[in-house]
Amino acid sequence: EAGVAQSPRYKIIEKRQSVAFWCNPISGHATLYWYQQILGQGPKLLIQFQNNGVVDDSQLPKDRFSAERLKGVDSTLKIQPAKLEDSAVYLCASSLDPGNYGYTFGSGTRLTVV
Amino acid sequence: DQQVKQNSPSLSVQEGRISILNCDYTNSMFDYFLWYKKYPAEGPTFLISISSIKDKNEDGRFTVFLNKSAKHLSLHIVPSQPGDSAVYFCAARGGGSNYKLTFGKGTLLTVNP
Repeated sequence: EAGVAQSPRYKIIEKRQSVAFWCNPISGHATLYWYQQILGQGPKLLIQFQNNGVVDDSQLPKDRFSAERLKGVDSTLKIQPAKLEDSAVYLCASSLDPGNYGYTFGSGTRLTVV
Repeated sequence: DQQVKQNSPSLSVQEGRISILNCDYTNSMFDYFLWYKKYPAEGPTFLISISSIKDKNEDGRFTVFLNKSAKHLSLHIVPSQPGDSAVYFCAARGGGSNYKLTFGKGTLLTVNP
C-alpha cells in the first residue's frame, strides 16, 4: 500500500510571502489530518477532515492559515502571509476512520520562513 | 497547558539493555495512549498503543504499561538495538467522539553499540 504523499519536502520563503503544501492520503482513508511540528515540540493538530468536511479546526490560525480537501481525497494547506514563527515541519496524516488510532503520517514539509 | 508530558528530552542506553521511556498525562478523559517513533526527515511511525481499560500491552520487544491512578505510562524496549535510536513520541487520544491525538514533546533515544 502506498503511503501518505506530501510535497514539497522543503520550502524556504520570506516572511509575508504565501506558501502551499499538498497531501495525498492513503487510498480509501476518509480522515485526513494536518499537524504542525515546531522544532523541539511534539506535533500539534491544525485541522482534521472527515471526507470533505472539517471535523476540528480549533487550533488553526484562521487569519493566515487555510486548508481544503476537494472531493474527499487530496488536501492543500496554505499560509498567507507567513510569519517567522510558522517555521516548522507540516505533517499530513490519514486514517481509515476517525476511531482508527493508527494514523499513517507522511514525511512532512519542512518550512523555513526568513 | 501541556496535557501530555515527556520530561526526559533524551535517553542513552547500551545495546542489549532495557530502554524505558516515560510519559505523564493530565486529562483523565483520554481513552487510548500511543507511542510513535520518528527517524530524522521522516514522519512519525505508529509503534504500539494501549487502551485506557488495560494496564499492559506487549508486541515483540516493545511493552507499554499504563498506571491510570498515577496518570503515567511507560514504553519498555527489551533488548534495545542500535536501530531503535530515534525520537519517541507519546500521544493520547481524546475520549468519546474526539479522536484528536495530543502529543508529548518527544524523547530522543540513543542506543550505543
